[in-house]
Amino acid sequence: DIQLTQSPSSLSASVGDRVTITCRASQSINNYLHWYQQKPGKAPKLLIYAASTLQSGVPSRFSGSGSERDFTLTISSLQPDDFATYYCQQSYSTLRTFGQGTKVEVK
Amino acid sequence: EVQLVESGGGLVEPGGSLRLSCAASGIPVNDYTMNWVRQAPGKGLEWVSSISSGGIFIYYADSVKGRFTVSRDNAKNSVFLQMNSLRADDTAVYYCAREIGGNRSDQWGQGTLVTVSS
Repeated sequence: DIQLTQSPSSLSASVGDRVTITCRASQSINNYLHWYQQKPGKAPKLLIYAASTLQSGVPSRFSGSGSERDFTLTISSLQPDDFATYYCQQSYSTLRTFGQGTKVEVK
Repeated sequence: EVQLVESGGGLVEPGGSLRLSCAASGIPVNDYTMNWVRQAPGKGLEWVSSISSGGIFIYYADSVKGRFTVSRDNAKNSVFLQMNSLRADDTAVYYCAREIGGNRSDQWGQGTLVTVSS
């Protein structure tokens, strides 16, 4: 199975901060890498797909980059609604996998 | 509007069975790969199973292979997850999700809680 390792596992940040989360795959996954946001008690929400394409309706402060094994999710200016947990997911393999998550907390 | 609604969760004893349903509205489920994803209390997301459009290709995580069976009923526009030989570590909220271009999951249900405990 393809393993995804996110870092950091958690971070503390303030409104207006630039936030960067990384996701490393155990093998090349081309650009079959997606990012989701999840808030407590809610279903995940797709933010970025194919490594760098913004899902419709998602604010432009979210961006993604990377290819092969190394990927990044960036929030350019953190807003109050962005405090949540973020997951990467690969769909290169028929056995889909998620990263362990990154919790973005209030500093 | 696309809507996915899971049902069938509940409390079951270890070794027992449950059948989860994911009813879709606004989309024909047979046109899409559908995934089941679970989340144990306080833990991260874990992909469980996929069923391709038409039901030709089916995949399972190693943790559930041989115990869980995914299926679909086009007449009911629903996907199902039959869970047998349940264990305590199967306790989780189970989500169904639609997969579209680029194999991304763009629509998710609200989840149904499965608790395995004696």
